[in-house]
Amino acid sequence: GENVEQHPSTLSVQEGDSAVIKCTYSDSASNYFPWYKQELGKRPQLIIDIRSNVGEKKDQRIAVTLNKTAKHFSLHITETQPEDSAVYFCASRWTGRRALTFGSGTRLQVQP
Amino acid sequence: NAGVTQTPKFRVLKTGQSMTLLCAQDMNHEYMYWYRQDPGMGLRLIHYSVGEGTTAKGEVPDGYNVSRLKKQNFLLGLESAAPSQTSVYFCASSYSRSGGQEEQYFGPGTRLTVT
Repeated sequence: GENVEQHPSTLSVQEGDSAVIKCTYSDSASNYFPWYKQELGKRPQLIIDIRSNVGEKKDQRIAVTLNKTAKHFSLHITETQPEDSAVYFCASRWTGRRALTFGSGTRLQVQP
Repeated sequence: NAGVTQTPKFRVLKTGQSMTLLCAQDMNHEYMYWYRQDPGMGLRLIHYSVGEGTTAKGEVPDGYNVSRLKKQNFLLGLESAAPSQTSVYFCASSYSRSGGQEEQYFGPGTRLTVT
């Protein structure tokens, strides 16, 4: 089955700096890669996603890049703010399956 | 719309007891999922359903059963609870976009403790 590895497990940055979280996946047939944000005690919420026919996608301060050859994708957050502090999960979806496989999560802390 | 709701929010069980977690969605989504979330392990898929009357196993199905008798509801059952099932349980639902790719909407979670 699909395996998703996520790094780092924790990340601390100063407010205004950039943050990068990286994930690798194992199944070359995976075609959908979402990122979820989970604040403490809350439910995961989708913040951005990318399909396998696209190399990069941006939404304001958030961007995701995908390298299909290397089977890795990354989340980039620029000009970080304290409200960006949360746990971020990457995930992948294999073409022949409806469900997502999640990474183990990255706890991002933005220091004011 | 309420989105995805879960009941109960919290529950404490003794080893060997049984219970059912209820997930409901009012978005007319075809697909529904049950995950468990443990510290440092992300979200792991227990069971999922691609439509009313159908269910399938995920990564960690042992000790759980599910039913999808109505499109809007997905039930997760624990027949004989074990301490290893102490976790936060999330239900999610999704629709199907063209190309088979979809976004998942999560419920608020159920915190279950088995003593």
